[in-house]
Amino acid sequence: IAGITQAPTSQILAAGRRMTLRCTQDMRHNAMYWYRQDLGLGLRLIHYSNTAGTTGKGEVPDGYSVSRANTDDFPLTLASAVPSQTSVYFCASSELSGPYNEQFFGPGTRLTVL
Amino acid sequence: AQSVSQHNHHVILSEAASLELGCNYSYGGTVNLFWYVQYPGQHLQLLLKYFSGDPLVKGIKGFEAEFIKSKFSFNLRKPSVQWSDTAEYFCAVNADTGGFKTIFGAGTRLFVKA
Repeated sequence: IAGITQAPTSQILAAGRRMTLRCTQDMRHNAMYWYRQDLGLGLRLIHYSNTAGTTGKGEVPDGYSVSRANTDDFPLTLASAVPSQTSVYFCASSELSGPYNEQFFGPGTRLTVL
Repeated sequence: AQSVSQHNHHVILSEAASLELGCNYSYGGTVNLFWYVQYPGQHLQLLLKYFSGDPLVKGIKGFEAEFIKSKFSFNLRKPSVQWSDTAEYFCAVNADTGGFKTIFGAGTRLFVKA
């Protein structure tokens, strides 16, 4: 079934550790996104990529980095995790990066930083 | 800056009651509007969208939304809710601000009592 996969499903991490959240899509979508979902704040964009080889900063990029080496993969890295990065992380993709971009979401990664 | 406001964070209804969830946005130019739904334990999925044309749009599962440009609103409605509509609902706006990033509201949690 076509869609977005994320790994791991959940993770408990010690503060200061490095962590990479994986995201893979098989829809050949050009654009990909990383959001964090926090209670009362909805989804906030961390980073995005309009096409392979390009990335951009979203609303809350500090402490996170991304890469887009190919169309399918868009990993999110926390270089040195802090407790405020405890959240549910969603990867999403859309066929194009323009204004008509219906986004398709992955199942999420629940991250706890202690 | 673009922002999206959802007026109700929690709504509790009995089955067969009518539903209206409010959504207002701050941008005055051309906008594209979305409602996404997240059922318990599932990832976000598109409920309906408005790009242009008839301001009353119909989505899946009997939902509809009305775009009122003068009020900067895009409220979600359903005449008669079912227990299976229990979910979190997110309004989202994508505007031609030069970045075409989608901004999500904080979400409204709907609980339908059987």
